[in-house]
Amino acid sequence: GESVGLHLPTLSVQEGDNSIINCAYSNSASDYFIWYKQESGKGPQFIIDIRSNMDKRQGQRVTVLLNKTVKHLSLQIAATQPGDSAVYFCAEIALTIYNQGRKLIFGQGTELSVKP
Amino acid sequence: KAGVTQTPRYLIKTRGQQVTLSCSPISGHRSVSWYQQTPGQGLQFLFEYFSETQRNKGNFPGRFSGRQFSNSRSEMNVSTLELGDSALYLCASSQHNEQFFGPGTRLTVL
Repeated sequence: GESVGLHLPTLSVQEGDNSIINCAYSNSASDYFIWYKQESGKGPQFIIDIRSNMDKRQGQRVTVLLNKTVKHLSLQIAATQPGDSAVYFCAEIALTIYNQGRKLIFGQGTELSVKP
Repeated sequence: KAGVTQTPRYLIKTRGQQVTLSCSPISGHRSVSWYQQTPGQGLQFLFEYFSETQRNKGNFPGRFSGRQFSNSRSEMNVSTLELGDSALYLCASSQHNEQFFGPGTRLTVL
């Protein structure tokens, strides 16, 4: 079935270090991928997205890499700060089902803990 | 622009009861999706509504239903509640591909 999974359930990093969160997806028809951040007591917040015709996209302190060959997605956070502590989810969407609606398929999530 | 709002934020029900949750999307957004979040299953898609029509549905039993009104506000209903329905129910609205989530409704079934 369709699934998006994360390689590591927890990640602990030192403040100032770079963080890398990984994600594997199984639906080769997925055309669009999103990373979300969820803090305790809040809904997921959009961080960055990438379309399947790209292999890299950069935002402010974040970079998403997409490797379609191995169906792998990663989120890199530069100079990780305590405020980055949260659960991070990758999600995929297949644009080919646009006319039938859309749904996000989420991974299980990785908890990022930043030590001061 | 105001974000997605959900009411109530917290709810306690007993088995067998039914519950209705409400979601107000961002102004101008016509698509509203609902998700269930539990520690064991993660975030799972329930259904999506667009212009008052259910456009997509996840793999949940018929006890879970929803609707959307002409102003794009949406409600979801769960009948005959079970203990396993305890979860955070998230609503997301979208205009294109990016979905904006509300804070969720924490449902506890006793």
